[in-house]
Amino acid sequence: DTGVSQNPRHKITKRGQNVTFRCDPISEHNRLYWYRQTLGQGPEFLTYFQNEAQLEKSRLLSDRFSAERPKGSFSTLEIQRTEQGDSAMYLCASSLDGWGVSENIQYFGAGTRLSVL
Amino acid sequence: GESVGLHLPTLSVQEGDNSIINCAYSNSASDYFIWYKQESGKGPQFIIDIRSNMDKRQGQRVTVLLNKTVKHLSLQIAATQPGDSAVYFCAENRPGGGADGLTFGKGTHLIIQP
Repeated sequence: DTGVSQNPRHKITKRGQNVTFRCDPISEHNRLYWYRQTLGQGPEFLTYFQNEAQLEKSRLLSDRFSAERPKGSFSTLEIQRTEQGDSAMYLCASSLDGWGVSENIQYFGAGTRLSVL
Repeated sequence: GESVGLHLPTLSVQEGDNSIINCAYSNSASDYFIWYKQESGKGPQFIIDIRSNMDKRQGQRVTVLLNKTVKHLSLQIAATQPGDSAVYFCAENRPGGGADGLTFGKGTHLIIQP
């Protein structure tokens, strides 16, 4: 078990460019979550997947943001036409949910730090 | 608005002492609470969790206490070590609100003094 892996670790882009981040969850986990964290704040929920289905989106997820998990394994988060306000740490977490699972602990990756210039 | 909050942004303790980090929540319907530790440049690391049908849970050197009457959560760390220096977040899972996304507080920065 290698834990939750996120790539890249850092991304610097110019305003208006598109960026894409990748998350590889813990292999047997069926749930995958995206959060955003700004300096000095706790993570804020963006969206989550149950297998390949995207079941919930936060109001923080504007129409410039899109997330996919096509095969129920890795996920991508794309931000189109980036703005300076998008600068943040983007965290991915995964968990195992289902019958017989009494806890839904979310395990986080190290995050992708985005800087929009 | 934010429903999970911390009483102190920074807590400084002597190495070897016990630390108590507090958290208040506002949603009485929340049924699951987690404490995470986040070191600089890393993602949040799970420490311990507790469900609303319990009022205390112990782990290795850590204890979480839940007081539903006053909607208060605390994390106790015994015999604090230098490696405990980090930001600690409490988080809640609200049934029917934000799916299973956790709601985090702002965090308490624990500083260990030698």
